[in-house]
Amino acid sequence: QKEVEQNSGPLSVPEGAIASLNCTYSDRGSQSFFWYRQYSGKSPELIMFIYSNGDKEDGRFTAQLNKASQYVSLLIRDSQPSDSATYLCAVNNAGNMLTFGGGTRLMVKP
Amino acid sequence: SQTIHQWPATLVQPVGSPLSLECTVEGTSNPNLYWYRQAAGRGLQLLFYSVGIGQISSEVPQNLSASRPQDRQFILSSKKLLLSDSGFYLCAWSPQGAQPQHFGDGTRLSIL
Repeated sequence: QKEVEQNSGPLSVPEGAIASLNCTYSDRGSQSFFWYRQYSGKSPELIMFIYSNGDKEDGRFTAQLNKASQYVSLLIRDSQPSDSATYLCAVNNAGNMLTFGGGTRLMVKP
Repeated sequence: SQTIHQWPATLVQPVGSPLSLECTVEGTSNPNLYWYRQAAGRGLQLLFYSVGIGQISSEVPQNLSASRPQDRQFILSSKKLLLSDSGFYLCAWSPQGAQPQHFGDGTRLSIL
């Protein structure tokens, strides 16, 4: 069974710090990797995607992919209280399906 | 631009009652459509997906069913709800043959 693992947290960081969220996956054939942000009571919102090994930056967010080690991470620089949410890692598998991790709850404290 | 609509936002139903949740997508043609359920504090569980009108694949056995009567309409149904059907139901779409998936606002379903 294809699995995507995340530490459930909560991960607590002070305002202005870098938050580092990690995700590991089991399917070596996965090619596409996504990070979603989900505020409490709301639906997931896509914030980043990455297809190639290395780093991809978008504003304060950086996604990092290491296919050899089968992990993907999300860095949030200059964390703000508004970044407090659950972050879901998703990995593609056959037929354009996504497998989601259980999510990491991030708390940014003022 | 593409938008996805899902309704109702909240629903309270008695055990044994029927269910119909609707999802529509605008601004695209022939999308892939998905139904997920998220139990409280848990991850997303894929229930159904569809690659075209009348084409439904089920990921888990349950008392729910899905239908796609039109290209951009996806319906989740049940004839008799169980207490275990409570949860946050999310509809999502993606372009054919591509990612990522984009979610509607969800329906919070409570079974009494």
